[in-house]
Amino acid sequence: DAGITQSPRYKITETGRQVTLMCHQTWSHSYMFWYRQDLGHGLRLIYYSAAADITDKGEVPDGYVVSRSKTENFPLTLESATRSQTSVYFCASSGVHSYEQYFGPGTRLTVT
Amino acid sequence: RKEVEQDPGPFNVPEGATVAFNCTYSNSASQSFFWYRQDCRKEPKLLMSVYSSGNEDGRFTAQLNRASQYISLLIRDSKLSDSATYLCVVNPPSGSARQLTFGSGTQLTVLP
Repeated sequence: DAGITQSPRYKITETGRQVTLMCHQTWSHSYMFWYRQDLGHGLRLIYYSAAADITDKGEVPDGYVVSRSKTENFPLTLESATRSQTSVYFCASSGVHSYEQYFGPGTRLTVT
Repeated sequence: RKEVEQDPGPFNVPEGATVAFNCTYSNSASQSFFWYRQDCRKEPKLLMSVYSSGNEDGRFTAQLNRASQYISLLIRDSKLSDSATYLCVVNPPSGSARQLTFGSGTQLTVLP
């Protein structure tokens, strides 16, 4: 049971490039979330989705785009990467019947 | 005031010690409470949910005090493997019912 996976696990990109981070879950969870984690800020919610084709902004959505055409996938795109988007990105999912969220292993993104 | 506040530590304790962490939350209408554990450079993992009546899981005991708006985690007989950052997590009633607010974490190091 793969659970929730993220790819790539590590990525280095240049300022101004478009980058897409992938998230895939096998639990058929309705809810999916994207967070970034930086020293001094803890986990901050970027975007979330309650179901396929339903997405909404979190605390820090600027510079990011999401889509959710299938329940199991929730890609996060940085349209034009900036150095301030250097961070660790975690995807999480949650089922209908509880608020607990389960996290993927994370993607370490460096923007040079 | 932050929605969820934790003492960042670090807490350095010897093996076998008992250690307690506290966390305060600002929204009195918050509904669900959790403790997550995060190892260095890894994803957060659910440690336990926190129920109004208090709950225990082996060496770990969680308590909720709604009147004072704080949550506690007690770890008895600390093991080296307990070394991690412990995140206090609250489900606030505002916004999406599925969003969680994470504290910045309390760092624990168990020393041999």
